[in-house]
Amino acid sequence: ILNVEQSPQSLHVQEGDSTNFTCSFPSSNFYALHWYRWETAKSPEALFVMTLNGDEKKKGRISATLNTKEGYSYLYIKGSQPEDSATYLCAFLMDSNYQLIWGAGTKLIIKP
Amino acid sequence: ETGVTQTPRHLVMGMTNKKSLKCEQHLGHNAMYWYKQSAKKPLELMFVYSLEERVENNSVPSRFSPECPNSSHLFLHLHTLQPEDSALYLCASSQGAYQGGNQPQHFGDGTRLSIL
Repeated sequence: ILNVEQSPQSLHVQEGDSTNFTCSFPSSNFYALHWYRWETAKSPEALFVMTLNGDEKKKGRISATLNTKEGYSYLYIKGSQPEDSATYLCAFLMDSNYQLIWGAGTKLIIKP
Repeated sequence: ETGVTQTPRHLVMGMTNKKSLKCEQHLGHNAMYWYKQSAKKPLELMFVYSLEERVENNSVPSRFSPECPNSSHLFLHLHTLQPEDSALYLCASSQGAYQGGNQPQHFGDGTRLSIL
């Protein structure tokens, strides 16, 4: 059974602080790793799709790194703002399989 | 606006009812997906359509019946559902014939389904 683990499950961060969380996935047969942000009452929104070991992607204050050999990806948020409050999901794609395997998400709450 | 529209947003139905969920995408994508999201669980893929052909059916009970009449529309027909089927049902689309690996999925807002 393929598992994608995200930690922590939830996180409270003071506004202005930086934070990061982890996505762990199987290290064999890697094809791609997706990150999504899901705000309450909205739809999940794609942040990054990462395919190469050592890849680092950035979108504003949010960045992500990828280590396919050890099977993890980190998502970093610099200078957290209230609008960053959301659940952050990662999903792993093995080979060119049709199916993304999803983590349960990290719920981020930014305290003003 | 994500380019993927789902209707209805909320649905309450009895176990003997028949209803349908609708999804429409305006992005020119050729793959569409149905997901189920239950409380505190990861997204569960139900069905994948690529170029209007079903390519994945994850052991979903037959009381859920998908239909993809063209690459822009996807339906989920519901019949004789059980209380445990109460969940958020999300539709998504992507570019590329399959999951596309490096192509992100675009989601609708979902239908919140409650079975009485």
